[in-house]
Amino acid sequence: EVQLVQSGAEVKKPGESLKISCKGFGYSFTTYWIGWVRQMPGKGLEWMGIIYPGDSDTRYSPSFQGQVTISADKSISIAYLQWSSLEASDTAMYYCARAIVVDPSGILGVGYFDYWGQGALVTVSS
Amino acid sequence: QSALTQPRSVSGSPGQSVTISCTGTSSDVGGHSYVSWYQHHPAKAPKLMIYDVSKRPSGVPDRFSASKSGNTASLTISGLQAEDEADYYCCSYAGIYSVIFGGGTKLTVL
Repeated sequence: EVQLVQSGAEVKKPGESLKISCKGFGYSFTTYWIGWVRQMPGKGLEWMGIIYPGDSDTRYSPSFQGQVTISADKSISIAYLQWSSLEASDTAMYYCARAIVVDPSGILGVGYFDYWGQGALVTVSS
Repeated sequence: QSALTQPRSVSGSPGQSVTISCTGTSSDVGGHSYVSWYQHHPAKAPKLMIYDVSKRPSGVPDRFSASKSGNTASLTISGLQAEDEADYYCCSYAGIYSVIFGGGTKLTVL
């Protein structure tokens, strides 16, 4: 059974760093892209970026480029999302999800997310 | 890139049908056959309900169906049940390594 298990809730202060994780089970972790999705309080889902754990090829949404870092350790089947300096506006639920990448007309992109983690609530408050 | 446009809320009584629309542009919804829909119950992981415009993953009831016409995709839930009450998000391929979500629709089962 495919599962994505995320690390737990975090409470941090502005300016602190943070790294949350997403561990894959039940499939070949290195051969599927993993995406990260943000949901701010009372808001909708926003795509942040994706990573291919096989070679760590990483692509970011323009909205999140430079704001976060996505990485992966394929030896332990874990993808990460990290911040170097949190802001209050980073308070949100963060989901990882397995991304199915498609290739219409030779342009690779995300077709859909078929399995999701349970989410990790990040609260940033002084 | 703006979010795909969905109605903020829809409602229906048990047994009825509801349809949720998702409007984008020719660069996303209208340009490809990669629209997906997700059901999101509060405090739970989103669940894939529809992919590739109209395909249902294994285990999703056939009460859930979807289609696309031009730049607008639609999700129809027939035979509404109490457990269908949730937020629903559409999502579309949007170009190189990109994807875009709709703003979400809250379904209330009356």
